[in-house]
Amino acid sequence: GAVVSQHPSRVICKSGTSVKIECRSLDFQATTMFWYRQFPKQSLMLMATSNEGSKATYEQGVEKDKFLINHASLTLSTLTVTSAHPEDSSFYICSARSASGGHNEQFFGPGTRLTVL
Amino acid sequence: AQSVSQHNHHVILSEAASLELGCNYSYGGTVNLFWYVQYPGQHLQLLLKYFSGDPLVKGIKGFEAEFIKSKFSFNLRKPSVQWSDTAEYFCAVNALWMTTDSWGKLQFGAGTQVVVTP
Repeated sequence: GAVVSQHPSRVICKSGTSVKIECRSLDFQATTMFWYRQFPKQSLMLMATSNEGSKATYEQGVEKDKFLINHASLTLSTLTVTSAHPEDSSFYICSARSASGGHNEQFFGPGTRLTVL
Repeated sequence: AQSVSQHNHHVILSEAASLELGCNYSYGGTVNLFWYVQYPGQHLQLLLKYFSGDPLVKGIKGFEAEFIKSKFSFNLRKPSVQWSDTAEYFCAVNALWMTTDSWGKLQFGAGTQVVVTP
């Protein structure tokens, strides 16, 4: 149980275009989803916290207008990188926290490798 | 500033050797503690977690970790590693501040790359 999927797994786009990444909890409902960014050889950095039906909470230094997050249902959150530039190239990982169970545990997706040319 | 520190960035050891990875955090108050593993080309997987109770926690694949509150530490151990334990290991901490903004937010250490040679 507790499987989180991401789509696409890899995406290459031209500079200036927008890219949407989906994060789905497949077998549980997630009231909260998190979006992380991981640079090569570095740790995960939290970008934003997404709660179903409300606006995302962004970490300091993360541009909310550039990284649009929508958490429209208890099983889906999307991250849209708008007007992508080469410096946005990174590995984006989502995680989901179960709505039940009472345990503070996150389940991670496999990540999306974004390359902006 | 609150932080999570992993002492070793890169560890190389032989099969059957014992492994210990250090993790220290600087949060006060109640914390939830986690160790995640990321095998090459794969996503993060939970090795073990500590919420409360027995400070010695056993996880999957023979790993265990000990929470020492007085030292703000949560070190990961495995008595005898295998080649398949080659991976990156991340310590993560959730400080349970009593606000909804921080509930569930994890702060990760920088990670330790472990290479096990045959």
